[in-house]
Amino acid sequence: NAGVTQTPKFQVLKTGQSMTLQCAQDMNHEYMSWYRQDPGMGLRLIHYSVGAGITDQGEVPNGYNVSRSTTEDFPLRLLSAAPSQTSVYFCASSSRDGLARNQPQHFGDGTRLSIL
Amino acid sequence: AQSVTQLGSHVSVSEGALVLLRCNYSSSVPPYLFWYVQYPNQGLQLLLKYTTGATLVKGINGFEAEFKKSETSFHLTKPSAHMSDAAEYFCARGGSNYKLTFGKGTLLTVNP
Repeated sequence: NAGVTQTPKFQVLKTGQSMTLQCAQDMNHEYMSWYRQDPGMGLRLIHYSVGAGITDQGEVPNGYNVSRSTTEDFPLRLLSAAPSQTSVYFCASSSRDGLARNQPQHFGDGTRLSIL
Repeated sequence: AQSVTQLGSHVSVSEGALVLLRCNYSSSVPPYLFWYVQYPNQGLQLLLKYTTGATLVKGINGFEAEFKKSETSFHLTKPSAHMSDAAEYFCARGGSNYKLTFGKGTLLTVNP
């Protein structure tokens, strides 16, 4: 089983460039989310979605856009990359029923993004 | 706001020694708590979880954690550290709106 797949694994951008980080899951999970991980900061929620067509902001949404046109995919867009967005990005998913029972979320392996 | 505090950003133990990683949460009601482990250049893997019921939770790789409501704590322990336990560990709590709140992480170093 593929689980949660993130692409690319690594990316270097120049300030001002745009980019989309891809996240796909094959478990038919309703809930998907994006986190960023920075040293000494743990993981912080950027955006999340409880189903196709529904998205909401997390703790640190500024500079990022998301959409959820299908259950499987939840791309994260950086419209104009800034050095402060250099981070490791993780996508996670869970079934809504699982979340209601507080089952753990499934994480991808991350995208390591550097903004020069 | 709900928060999770991990005491100690870096813990170093000798191989075979007890591992104790501390986690405290802020809440007026019992939360749902998780411990995740992250090996270098990898994603997060669930170690164990507390939802309801037994307060001593056993997880994978010999780890366990005890939920103590009176102390608002959920410390992670392992009786005997192994070199392969070297990783970063994150405590997290589940919220009513499906959001996970993470602690800042504790890097565990195991010395031979």
